[in-house]
Amino acid sequence: GAVVSQHPSRVICKSGTSVKIECRSLDFQATTMFWYRQFPKQSLMLMATSNEGSKATYEQGVEKDKFLINHASLTLSTLTVTSAHPEDSSFYICSAAGTGQAYTFGSGTRLTVV
Amino acid sequence: QKEVEQNSGPLSVPEGAIASLNCTYSDRVSQSFFWYRQYSGKSPELIMSIYSNGDKEDGRFTAQLNKASQYVSLLIRDSQPSDSATYLCAVNLDFGNEKLTFGTGTRLTIIP
Repeated sequence: GAVVSQHPSRVICKSGTSVKIECRSLDFQATTMFWYRQFPKQSLMLMATSNEGSKATYEQGVEKDKFLINHASLTLSTLTVTSAHPEDSSFYICSAAGTGQAYTFGSGTRLTVV
Repeated sequence: QKEVEQNSGPLSVPEGAIASLNCTYSDRVSQSFFWYRQYSGKSPELIMSIYSNGDKEDGRFTAQLNKASQYVSLLIRDSQPSDSATYLCAVNLDFGNEKLTFGTGTRLTIIP
């Protein structure tokens, strides 16, 4: 089956620093990648959608200058949380979709900002 | 009105019984429907996808879709303790757009 690799699985950073999260589709070409955020006991909230080679489309209320998304190739997308603050602490999950390929989630990244 | 609605539960089902999970959605033009299972602290994993009215079976799981009534359900037969998780319903609400909208999830507990 399709595999999406997401790294790191856990990260702790100091307030004000930036954190980069990588999402790779290992065995298919991901034409579209989605980035979600999930707070405890809540559902997944879509942050942005990115298509390879294009600028990401952000959902309402998500700051594009704070959450930088790059989708430079058909197998790699990155999310950079810039100037992170404690309220950014959350579970970040990527999902990849390709032609004829069902949505596949990465394993998630637990971000803690101290 | 929420776009994708699920009963948050918790839903408790005895081991070996059938667990029934329901989901309703708001947009009649929705085309694709998915059920995901999420264990605590883990990312969702796809259980079933369904695109046409009727039933779709895969092992102990059966997805049911009724587009006229705008609901999709998931039945789990012979429930096992390992089925205890949160089940997320996801719908592609935008025709031609790959974006999924998730329900809030139903927490299922299988009682041994």
